[in-house]
Amino acid sequence: DTAVSQTPKYLVTQMGNDKSIKCEQNLGHDTMYWYKQDSKKFLKIMFSYNNKELIINETVPNRFSPKSPDKAHLNLHINSLELGDSAVYFCASSQVLDEQYFGPGTRLTVT
Amino acid sequence: RKEVEQDPGPFNVPEGATVAFNCTYSNSASQSFFWYRQDCRKEPKLLMSVYSSGNEDGRFTAQLNRASQYISLLIRDSKLSDSATYLCSMDTGRRALTFGSGTRLQVQP
Repeated sequence: DTAVSQTPKYLVTQMGNDKSIKCEQNLGHDTMYWYKQDSKKFLKIMFSYNNKELIINETVPNRFSPKSPDKAHLNLHINSLELGDSAVYFCASSQVLDEQYFGPGTRLTVT
Repeated sequence: RKEVEQDPGPFNVPEGATVAFNCTYSNSASQSFFWYRQDCRKEPKLLMSVYSSGNEDGRFTAQLNRASQYISLLIRDSKLSDSATYLCSMDTGRRALTFGSGTRLQVQP
């Protein structure tokens, strides 16, 4: 049983396109997160949602818009993709600010 | 000063060696500290939490030094399977975790 799942695992697209990444967790956690890990392996938080409410919105371009239809799902939509958006995007969930369970990651390549 | 700093390594050690990593942090308000392990092209996974009194789990020992604002991870009797990147993490005081960029460990036969 996959605790935190993401789709797609790989995403190759051209500059200017719009794409979405989906995330689902079956752990019953209240909080979900999106992280970006760049080529230097620096893992940086982008957003967090608690019970469908946006809690954290770090300095992320407006082209990135998270959506949480329910507390088990947190999707990420990216408009007008740029070369600098190429990275691995990880979804994660936690019950309290303790162990965070990460999804397998979505490797985004913008050409 | 960066929020979290780690020596990127790589630390190349023979099997059976003892190796230690440090991680310094700048936010003195941080209360929760963790070590995560990340294998190549995989997601980070929690290795262990770091308590004020220290924490030991088998061959792994984690310590917290609040006065000097660093945490450490000690691995004894290194195994080939310990080869990975080790990320330190702590809370930001805003219901989120911040991560270091990781220390790469390569255990050699």
